[in-house]
Amino acid sequence: DGGITQSPKYLFRKEGQNVTLSCEQNLNHDAMYWYRQDPGQGLRLIYYSQIVNDFQKGDIAEGYSVSREKKESFPLTVTSAQKNPTAFYLCASSAGQGVQETQYFGPGTRLLVL
Amino acid sequence: AQSVTQLDSQVPVFEEAPVELRCNYSSSVSVYLFWYVQYPNQGLQLLLKYLSGSTLVKGINGFEAEFNKSQTSFHLRKPSVHISDTAEYFCAVGRSGYSTLTFGKGTMLLVSP
Repeated sequence: DGGITQSPKYLFRKEGQNVTLSCEQNLNHDAMYWYRQDPGQGLRLIYYSQIVNDFQKGDIAEGYSVSREKKESFPLTVTSAQKNPTAFYLCASSAGQGVQETQYFGPGTRLLVL
Repeated sequence: AQSVTQLDSQVPVFEEAPVELRCNYSSSVSVYLFWYVQYPNQGLQLLLKYLSGSTLVKGINGFEAEFNKSQTSFHLRKPSVHISDTAEYFCAVGRSGYSTLTFGKGTMLLVSP
């Protein structure tokens, strides 16, 4: 089955630690996205990538970093500079680069701070 | 910049009653409009989208939405809800020529027996 996988489902971060969230898709999609979801806040865009080896900042990129070395993979690193990382993180992908393309979402990773 | 307002954070309804979830957007240019549903602790799933053409859009699970350009609205409706429709619903808007969507803050639909 084609789809998007995110791992782990739950992730715990200690103070001052960097952690990496995995996102893999086998849909052969060009574009990939990372969103952060907080209760009552909706989804906010962290980073997006329209093509391999290229990515752009979203609305809340500070404290996060990404890479896009392979078409199917778009990992997100939450750095120690992100002071309030507790949230639900969603990865998505779309076939094309235009906003009219449907975004398909993974099941999410919940990040908690110890 | 574009924005999306979902006017209700929670909508409680009884099973088999009709429901309308409201969404207004602010953009003066051509827009694309989406409704997504999120079940607890899951990702989002597309319900329906408006790109062009007929202003009444039908989606999955019996939902439909109407694009109203003059009122800049895209309200979601279902004539008879089920318990299984309990979920959070997100409206999203994208502008022609851009690459990213703007999501509303979500409306929690609570269906009780």
